[in-house]
Amino acid sequence: DVVMTQSPLSLPVTLGQPASISCRSSQSLVYSDGNTYLNWFQQRPGQSPRRLIYKVSNRDSGVPDRFSGSGSGTDFTLKISRVEAEDVGVYYCMQGTHWPGTFGQGTRLEIK
Amino acid sequence: EVQLVESGGGLVKPGGSLKLSCAASGFTFSNAWMNWVRQAPGKGLEWVGRIKSKADGGTTDYAAPVKGRFTISRDDSKNTLYLQMNGLKTEDTAVYYCIVGAQTWGRGTLVTVSS
Repeated sequence: DVVMTQSPLSLPVTLGQPASISCRSSQSLVYSDGNTYLNWFQQRPGQSPRRLIYKVSNRDSGVPDRFSGSGSGTDFTLKISRVEAEDVGVYYCMQGTHWPGTFGQGTRLEIK
Repeated sequence: EVQLVESGGGLVKPGGSLKLSCAASGFTFSNAWMNWVRQAPGKGLEWVGRIKSKADGGTTDYAAPVKGRFTISRDDSKNTLYLQMNGLKTEDTAVYYCIVGAQTWGRGTLVTVSS
């Protein structure tokens, strides 16, 4: 299985400050159709995961534009331009290129 | 609005069986590839398996930890996805989520395997 490695695993951030999460895969996530199936999810306390970003950099409907995704191949990043209180939770990257889909360990974002 | 509602979770002894259901609405269920993902208490997310649409063969794929013990099926006439779990182990204790397209998740149903 493809191993997804996130860093950091804990991310204390001051309100209004930026945040960045890195995700690396053990092999390329470029699929045979040319797409890269790398997603980012947010899981708020007590809730189901919610997809924020798909195919590396596409925001899902209703996701604030302070969230952005970038990267290619095996290295990917989720950035939050200005952290708000509602952003507290655990963030996961997930690859859907290779079966089975695999998730990173999760990054817990908290407010300092 | 796309909705997925899981049910059927509960407490079961090691070696026992349980069948989960996921009622879908708001989209054309018969055309969708459906998935099960689980999350052990306080832990990360793990793919369990998937079932393709009948138009794409209706085949199933499973993650290694559950292969041979779990079976995914679907009833397109009822817009319902199933997960039959046999030979349950304590490490199968988790919230089980039904998802479609990686975008839409249900609220999950808790399965606890304990003696």
